[in-house]
Amino acid sequence: GAGVSQSPRYKVAKRGQDVALRCDPISGHVSLFWYQQALGQGPEFLTYFQNEAQLDKSGLPSDRFFAERPEGSVSTLKIQRTQQEDSAVYLCASSLGGRSSGNTIYFGEGSWLTVV
Amino acid sequence: AQSVTQLGSHVSVSEGALVLLRCNYSSSVPPYLFWYVQYPNQGLQLLLKYTTGATLVKGINGFEAEFKKSETSFHLTKPSAHMSDAAEYFCAVSSTLYGGSQGNLIFGKGTKLSVKP
Repeated sequence: GAGVSQSPRYKVAKRGQDVALRCDPISGHVSLFWYQQALGQGPEFLTYFQNEAQLDKSGLPSDRFFAERPEGSVSTLKIQRTQQEDSAVYLCASSLGGRSSGNTIYFGEGSWLTVV
Repeated sequence: AQSVTQLGSHVSVSEGALVLLRCNYSSSVPPYLFWYVQYPNQGLQLLLKYTTGATLVKGINGFEAEFKKSETSFHLTKPSAHMSDAAEYFCAVSSTLYGGSQGNLIFGKGTKLSVKP
């Protein structure tokens, strides 16, 4: 596609519910990132994939968060047993080369998660 | 470890006035530096980036930024503000070192720009 596509754009989950957020990166992009942006804050890194390999998950806040990119294109971020502090915008981003290449990182419009 | 500090969470200017958004970074290695803009309910859009070469970088919508290594700064400027510039602006840093988590973008907390008519 022309840009990074994320779905759903908006999700309201009851506390304890599991959610899955999907990211469709720009075609051919090797790198895929997930970021979490809390209200009034800058985005914070969650995890990084190079093709299908998850090379860095140091930003995932707990073991309730899980991400995958099985075929090196579409990625899913799953949050189990959601809690109110998980309410945030989840941004997916992709770039042509590996991280540290200096390639432009393109962001999707985000998935807005509200846990009630 | 890398970090970014954006001075001023809110900046207000009059239409036609100079825009100056401040960004200072901390990095133990030569950095890549970025400015992104975020309009309400939208994702991040790249305004400009510094990787290597010329330290004065020109971006979209008339914005530019200058990398000053001695001051560890990468301030964003625009000579004349337009109403459409009202948005939130994020400065970000990443590392030129291959491998490791330093390649991830580290963002500042953002500066919200308001433009008064």
